[in-house]
Amino acid sequence: DGGITQSPKYLFRKEGQNVTLSCEQNLNHDAMYWYRQDPGQGLRLIYYSQIVNDFQKGDIAEGYSVSREKKESFPLTVTSAQKNPTAFYLCASSPRYNQPQHFGDGTRLSIL
Amino acid sequence: EDKVVQSPLSLVVHEGDTVTLNCSYEVTNFRSLLWYKQEKKAPTFLFMLTSSGIEKKSGRLSSILDKKELFSILNITATQTGDSAVYLCLHDGGTSYGKLTFGQGTILTVHP
Repeated sequence: DGGITQSPKYLFRKEGQNVTLSCEQNLNHDAMYWYRQDPGQGLRLIYYSQIVNDFQKGDIAEGYSVSREKKESFPLTVTSAQKNPTAFYLCASSPRYNQPQHFGDGTRLSIL
Repeated sequence: EDKVVQSPLSLVVHEGDTVTLNCSYEVTNFRSLLWYKQEKKAPTFLFMLTSSGIEKKSGRLSSILDKKELFSILNITATQTGDSAVYLCLHDGGTSYGKLTFGQGTILTVHP
């Protein structure tokens, strides 16, 4: 079955440490996205990638970094520069533009 | 700045009731409005609306768009406990990377 896999589901890190969230898709989608969800704020776009080896900043990219070396993979690194990293992170993908996005199950990150 | 506002933010009903969820939007370049159902973690796609006045229907769920008044509604008839979820309304700006603007979500709770 095709889909999007995010790992891990829960992640705990000490303050000041970088942490990388994994997102893999086998849908052969060109575009991939990272969102952050905070209570009462809906989803906000962190980074997106239209195609392999290309990515662009979203609305709240500060303190985050990404890479897109393979079509299937779009890992997100939460750096120590992110001031409030505790949140629920969702990865999504779509075939091309103007198509509904498919979402992974998310990763809940907690900073101790 | 594009904006999507959902109401109510939360709603509690009993099984068998009919509910109407509202979504209003202010965007610079409308392309499409999407509804997602988010239960547990990952949102699942419900409807994509691009044309005004055309009702989309799937089982007990239906949705319609009014581009003149800038809003959409999602109706759920004969609600069931399995309908309990967060319902997300979002605008797809239709750029090449499919950037989305999310509403805050409506939390629907259906009691037996």
